[in-house]
Amino acid sequence: QVHLVQSGAEVKKPGSSVKVSCKASRGTFDNHSINWVRQAPGQGLDWMGGITPMFRTTKYAQRFQGRVTITADESSSTAYMELSSLRSEDTATYYCARVDLLGFFDYWGQGTLVTVST
Amino acid sequence: DIQMTQSPSSLSASVGDRVAITCRASQNISSYLNWYQQKPGKAPKLLIYAASLLQSGVPSRFSGSGSGTAFTLTISSLQPEDFASYYCQQSYTTPSYTFGQGTNLEIK
Repeated sequence: QVHLVQSGAEVKKPGSSVKVSCKASRGTFDNHSINWVRQAPGQGLDWMGGITPMFRTTKYAQRFQGRVTITADESSSTAYMELSSLRSEDTATYYCARVDLLGFFDYWGQGTLVTVST
Repeated sequence: DIQMTQSPSSLSASVGDRVAITCRASQNISSYLNWYQQKPGKAPKLLIYAASLLQSGVPSRFSGSGSGTAFTLTISSLQPEDFASYYCQQSYTTPSYTFGQGTNLEIK
């Protein structure tokens, strides 16, 4: 069983950045990727991007390109998602999830609420 | 980009009913289709992967079918704990992914 534990809720000002962490409790990412999905209040799931730590490769959704940076520290089994130039529409719960080689999201973090407000 | 369209967007049903949710892809995705259940305030949970394979621990009343562009999630006999939102997701374009817009299953 893999547990992904995310950092706590954040309140940010428009124009600032937020960095959310996701730690794998079992201590390793193995050869899986860690991806980030966000969900605005009352809305659906929106894939943002992901990283495969073993190969140090990243992939981002086109609409977030240039604003999102996903990194990973294998020594601490922690992945990070940083979103910059925040606006009110970025208010959402951000989830990390482990993705199997077949592309399904089998383990999820508990979610981190990011609120962007003046 | 591959678009995923679910229908219906919302559905009212009763305990014991058989329900089906449809997901259509904008192009052929073979069997690279996964289904998730999400309850309010919780992370999504994987139900079905590769279109028809049941994730470990998921009740057998859930089943998936389809290939190519048309897929179905069926719940054979609704239980009270099944009232939730359901999402499909394509993994044909790994490492890029797309989710459907979701289906909200409510108690009638």
